[in-house]
Amino acid sequence: KQEVTQIPAALSVPEGENLVLNCSFTDSAIYNLQWFRQDPGKGLTSLLLIQSSQREQTSGRLNASLDKSSGRSTLYIAASQPGDSATYLCAANRDDKIIFGKGTRLHILP
Amino acid sequence: DTEVTQTPKHLVMGMTNKKSLKCEQHMGHRAMYWYKQKAKKPPELMFVYSYEKLSINESVPSRFSPECPNSSLLNLHLHALQPEDSALYLCASSPPVGRTYEQYFGPGTRLTVT
Repeated sequence: KQEVTQIPAALSVPEGENLVLNCSFTDSAIYNLQWFRQDPGKGLTSLLLIQSSQREQTSGRLNASLDKSSGRSTLYIAASQPGDSATYLCAANRDDKIIFGKGTRLHILP
Repeated sequence: DTEVTQTPKHLVMGMTNKKSLKCEQHMGHRAMYWYKQKAKKPPELMFVYSYEKLSINESVPSRFSPECPNSSLLNLHLHALQPEDSALYLCASSPPVGRTYEQYFGPGTRLTVT
């Protein structure tokens, strides 16, 4: 059974710093790994999707990497801003079922 | 149209009421999903419809009844709910592109059962 773990559970950093969020998964037979952002009480916004055959994806200040063999993905956020404050969820996707991690609550200090 | 819409945004219902949640997408996606999310927890999969047929039911109580009338519309019918069913209900859809399985989420319906 797929298990997805995110570390750390919460993170506070000063504005402008670069940071890394970690995601690990137990079953490497995934189709893709998807990173989401969720603001309090809101739906999920897809940030990046990495196909199982890819190593990384980039969008603006965000870069996500995938290492299937070790069961790990990272989300790198460059030059963090207060607007980046949210919960970040990673999800391992196989067939029609995606398994979410519990998320990292990120707080960027102005 | 590149979004998933959900109505209503908020719903308060008594334990004896019958209500429905609605989800729509007009992106030609072939799969649609219902998730339940409690506060500070990740979304939990409830149901999956693929090509308008129920393909996954994650052992959800029968007081939740999904329906997919067509490829763009997904409903969740609610009856005799319990206070512990209060949560954010999220709908998602996924395109028919190979094995992408990328999921697009709606804004959710905040349900309160009194």
